[in-house]
Amino acid sequence: DAGVIQSPRHEVTEMGQEVTLRCKPISGHNSLFWYRQTMMRGLELLIYFNNNVPIDDSGMPEDRFSAKMPNASFSTLKIQPSEPRDSAVYFCASSLDSRPNSYNEQFFGPGTRLTVL
Amino acid sequence: AQTVTQSQPEMSVQEAETVTLSCTYDTSESNYYLFWYKQPPSRQMILVIRQEAYKQQNATENRFSVNFQKAAKSFSLKISDSQLGDTAMYFCAFMKHGGAQKLVFGQGTRLTINP
Repeated sequence: DAGVIQSPRHEVTEMGQEVTLRCKPISGHNSLFWYRQTMMRGLELLIYFNNNVPIDDSGMPEDRFSAKMPNASFSTLKIQPSEPRDSAVYFCASSLDSRPNSYNEQFFGPGTRLTVL
Repeated sequence: AQTVTQSQPEMSVQEAETVTLSCTYDTSESNYYLFWYKQPPSRQMILVIRQEAYKQQNATENRFSVNFQKAAKSFSLKISDSQLGDTAMYFCAFMKHGGAQKLVFGQGTRLTINP
């Protein structure tokens, strides 16, 4: 299996521009998670989906951030407009299931390093 | 809300030595999972070891083992016979059992293994 695929690996943009990060989960996985990693805040969960439905977006920092999962094999995280403080590494992870009382390992993608100038 | 604290920002040991990374957490939950993740320079997050809170026996994976002290809310990672490839950031993480599978991470410990 190819694992979780994220694109692009690196993104440099200017303040005010729209940024779209992409994720392809492992085939057959039905839960998808977006995390952000910064020096100041560490790794934090932004949003997660189960069966393409957003379950918890309480970690999304503000309305400039939005995430979608139009189908089981693709998700996007969009920032519009971007700001320098959005600079971070954004990880996507997927797992087989997210039912209560079950544990399933989250497999992480390689991350996208975003730099907003 | 759960919190995870790693009090050692950096550690450095010689190859083949044993090293222990510390982690404490705070929760009111009685059933949960604890994890150690490794993040090498490639940025890839790799699960090293997992512990279920209801299990008294400490988890072991080859050279990696944990010391889980539930009453003290402590979860340390021991790496035996350390290797150069163990050089990485190590993150302790918490997940509540049942409900949403949200990982809560500590700030990380940068471990360097010197030749």
